[in-house]
Amino acid sequence: AQSVTQPDIHITVSEGASLELRCNYSYGATPYLFWYVQSPGQGLQLLLKYFSGDTLVQGIKGFEAEFKRSQSSFNLRKPSVHWSDAAEYFCAVGPMDSSYKLIFGSGTRLLVRP
Amino acid sequence: EAQVTQNPRYLITVTGKKLTVTCSQNMNHEYMSWYRQDPGLGLRQIYYSMNVEVTDKGDVPEGYKVSRKEKRNFPLILESPSPNQTSLYFCASSLQLTGTSGGTLFFGEGSRLTVL
Repeated sequence: AQSVTQPDIHITVSEGASLELRCNYSYGATPYLFWYVQSPGQGLQLLLKYFSGDTLVQGIKGFEAEFKRSQSSFNLRKPSVHWSDAAEYFCAVGPMDSSYKLIFGSGTRLLVRP
Repeated sequence: EAQVTQNPRYLITVTGKKLTVTCSQNMNHEYMSWYRQDPGLGLRQIYYSMNVEVTDKGDVPEGYKVSRKEKRNFPLILESPSPNQTSLYFCASSLQLTGTSGGTLFFGEGSRLTVL
């Protein structure tokens, strides 16, 4: 079955520190992969996506993610976190079948210490 | 401004009282979808629509109805709401679901529904 796992429910980092949010997926073929961010009281905003080609993908707000096929992972990284990055982050996979849906992970909430 | 607009943003209602959450997009997107967000479960798809008059069930369609009479609008209807439908609802749209521009969903700001 198709699924997305974000093993960390909460992560706390200090401002200026580096960040890595983990995402693992289970899918029948090479999927399309996405990271979305949800700020408090807001809808979700696309950070970046991977379709094919270079496995290191650059996104908005200084984020990047690396697709590792052998590990079925698509981890999100940022070299230096800002207080405004505090939000909930969702990894998603798809769509590749007739259901035309994105499958979302359960999310990782990022807290930033001053 | 390109956007997906949902109304109402907040609603408290009682069991069995029919309600409709409206969703409208101004980007001429063909694909629209409804999700519900619950703690620890991420987002789960309720219904989606590939185009006008074409709708299909997502993962959790029970207790919901939708319609797509016009391209821009995709209302979510709860005929007889129950407390287990208390949730945060998001409408989303996309130009297409596949290809290099596919999968980029534009989300509304959410509608928080409480059913007593």
